[in-house]
This record gives sequence, structure tokens and C-alpha cells, in this order.
Amino acid sequence: GNSVTQMEGPVTLSEEAFLTINCTYTATGYPSLFWYVQYPGEGLQLLLKATKADDKGSNKGFEATYRKETTSFHLEKGSVQVSDSAVYFCALSDPQGGSEKLVFGKGTKLTVNP
Amino acid sequence: NAGVTQTPKFRVLKTGQSMTLLCAQDMNHEYMYWYRQDPGMGLRLIHYSVGEGTTAKGEVPDGYNVSRLKKQNFLLGLESAAPSQTSVYFCASTPWRVSGELFFGEGSRLTVL
Repeated sequence: GNSVTQMEGPVTLSEEAFLTINCTYTATGYPSLFWYVQYPGEGLQLLLKATKADDKGSNKGFEATYRKETTSFHLEKGSVQVSDSAVYFCALSDPQGGSEKLVFGKGTKLTVNP
Repeated sequence: NAGVTQTPKFRVLKTGQSMTLLCAQDMNHEYMYWYRQDPGMGLRLIHYSVGEGTTAKGEVPDGYNVSRLKKQNFLLGLESAAPSQTSVYFCASTPWRVSGELFFGEGSRLTVL
């Protein structure tokens, strides 16, 4: 079945540090991949996505590249800010696999200190 | 723009009581989902619907029922609440499954004593 594995947190960084949150996946078909972000007290919102191999999704300074050969979709940001403190979820959608559902990783909590 | 609205936002129940969470979306989306979020467990799918009048089980459906009588509303019911159902519940919707982009509500925090 489809699954997503992301690095366990929590992750604590200083402002302007480089961020990487690892995400790997298992899928039966050709999935689309997503990163969602959840700020404190809020619901999840889409951060970025990639729909096919070698696509790069980007938004708000965050980037992730869909790597089919390593089944990975790692999230990166060159210089984090305090406002980036949140929980980040990797997810996949596999419509060709016959699923109408989005499969989420367990989330990685990021805290950025001034 | 309201988007996805969940009511109530907070609720405290005693074991054995029943309640219904309401999710309403004003985006004319076909697909709607109910998730629960627990520490260390991430998001787990309870039930979902692919259109008005349809429902399907997700990963953790036991103890919950759902109904989608109107396209814009998706109700989650707990017939006999248990402490294990203490959680934060999120509703989400999407216009079509191929996109995979979900629009989430702000969550409903439920405590069962």
C-alpha cells in the first residue's frame, strides 16, 4: 500500500539556519507529492506540490524536488525565520492506484529560535 | 471567503454521550474527509465522501458514523463517546481527487472524560 515516512522531530533551529526535512514514499502508481504546513492552532494548508518526477515545487522560500529514483521529496529552505515554526507534513496522492485519499506522514515539528 | 467551516470548535463530553461535528464548505467541492490528529500519530483518515449521498471508511472508522445528505455538508457522529476519541478533528475538502490538494477547516478539539 501507499505510505509516507518523514523524519521524526522535533527539529529546533536558529533563525537563518538551513532546513532539511526528509520524506520518502512508497506508492503503487505515479503519485503526486505534497508538503502541508500547520501553524499553531490552525488547520493544515498546502505549502507546495509536485506532480511528476523531477518536478520542483516551491513556495515561500521552501523547495522540494520529486526524486523517483530515490522515492524522496525532501523539504528544504535556505534561511528559516521564526515565523516558519510549525508542523510540516509530507503527503502523497496516488489516483492511478485507485485511491481517492491523501496519505500523510506523521509530521515534523519545527521550532525556530531568534 | 469562508472555505471549510467546522462547528463546534471545542467540546467536552462525558463517556457514553453522543455528539455530531458539522463540516460545511462553500466551494462546491465533491470530495470531503474527516481526519483525527493525535500526538505522534499524525493525521488519520476516519471517513470520507466522494459526492453527495456517498460515504466510505477510512483508516480508523470504528466508533464513528458520517452522513453527506447535502453536497456542502459532511457530518461526523459519535454515538457513544469514549476517552480514546479525545482528539482534534479536521475536516477537509477537494474539488477532485486527481489534484490531491485538500482545503482544511480549523479543527474541532474534542475531550471525552
